[in-house]
Order: sequence, then structure tokens, then C-alpha cells
Amino acid sequence: KAGVTQTPRYLIKTRGQQVTLSCSPISGHRSVSWYQQTPGQGLQFLFEYFSETQRNKGNFPGRFSGRQFSNSRSEMNVSTLELGDSALYLCASSLGTSSDTDTQYFGPGTRLTVL
Amino acid sequence: AQSVAQPEDQVNVAEGNPLTVKCTYSVSGNPYLFWYVQYPNRGLQFLLKYITGDNLVKGSYGFEAEFNKSQTSFHLKKPSALVSDSALYFCAVRDGQTGANNLFFGTGTRLTVIP
Repeated sequence: KAGVTQTPRYLIKTRGQQVTLSCSPISGHRSVSWYQQTPGQGLQFLFEYFSETQRNKGNFPGRFSGRQFSNSRSEMNVSTLELGDSALYLCASSLGTSSDTDTQYFGPGTRLTVL
Repeated sequence: AQSVAQPEDQVNVAEGNPLTVKCTYSVSGNPYLFWYVQYPNRGLQFLLKYITGDNLVKGSYGFEAEFNKSQTSFHLKKPSALVSDSALYFCAVRDGQTGANNLFFGTGTRLTVIP
């Protein structure tokens, strides 16, 4: 099975712009979660989508949003970019059953740099 | 509230020696515990998980982890370290009681295996 794919791998934006990141989960997985990784804050959970609905949300401002399509692919959008949004954004997919057997598998990430 | 602590930012070990990367956790309900590894410019790679059952869990690449409920610990171990094991290791926890799928990560431990 192909793994989780994320596009693009690298992005450079300027403050005030917006950006959209894409994630394609492992075939058959219905849950997609997004995480932000920074040197200062570490790995932090953004949100989870399951069956096109946001099921869980972390503690991030409303500038961070996402959506999921019927094929389980997900996009994450960040509006009005700030310097502090520079990070590695990781997408993880899982079956989404919330059972004890559910394991999240991560993509390679999108490195966002805000200038 | 869930949390994970990785008390060592850096662990150095000689090639061929056993290695241990420490992790302690705090959750309200039953802990689902995970170890992931991150290589440079890569996403997180799943190593192993503890859900229930035997306290010693075996995972990928010869790694294992020991769950200790009384000490709320889940240390990662390997009998004989390889230079290729050098990477950043993350411990994560999910609260089995809430049913939420998101993971809470530790701050990571950088393992360096010295030839």
C-alpha cells in the first residue's frame, strides 16, 4: 500500500498571505489528522477529520482550518500568515475507528517558511 | 488531561551497546502509548504501541518497549544499537477513555549512536 502523501513538500510565503496544504491518506483510511511541528512548541495537534467532518480540534486560532473530501483526501488552510506559522506540518491517517487498534501513520510533511 | 514527558533531550550510546529512551505519561483513563521515530527531513515513522496485554511490546527494527503502570512509564529499548538508529524519537499517548484519536507527544529525544 502506498503511504501518506503530502503536497507540496516545501513552501515559502510572506506574511499576510494564505496557504493550502494537501494530504492523501493511505487507501482505506478515513481519518486524517494534522499536526504542527516547531522547535519551540514541539508536535501539536491541529484537527482531525473523519467522513468529511471535523471530529476533533486542538488549540489553534481560527486562521487554521481544514476540510476533507469524499475520497478522504484532506486540505489544510492557513490564512493571514504570521512568522510564527513557519513549521513542519504533518498529516497522519488512520482507519478512524477510535478503537484501541487504531494507529496513525504519518506523511513526510510540508515545510512552510513564512518570510 | 494527557501529557508525556521525555526527560532526556539527548542520549548517546556506543554501537553494539543496549539503548534506552525514557518516557513517562499522564492520562485520566487507560493509556494507549506509541513510539515514533523521525529521520532528518522525514515524517514520523511508527515503531510500536501498547494498548493492553503483555507489558513488553515488540516493534519494528528490533525495538521494544516496556509498559510500567505503577511508574507510568513506557521506555523504549533495543539490545544492540546500530549507527542507523541515530534519529529523533517521540513518545506519544492517547487517552483510551475519551475515544478521541489525537496523540499527545513528548518533546522528543535525539539518539546518537557512536561508531
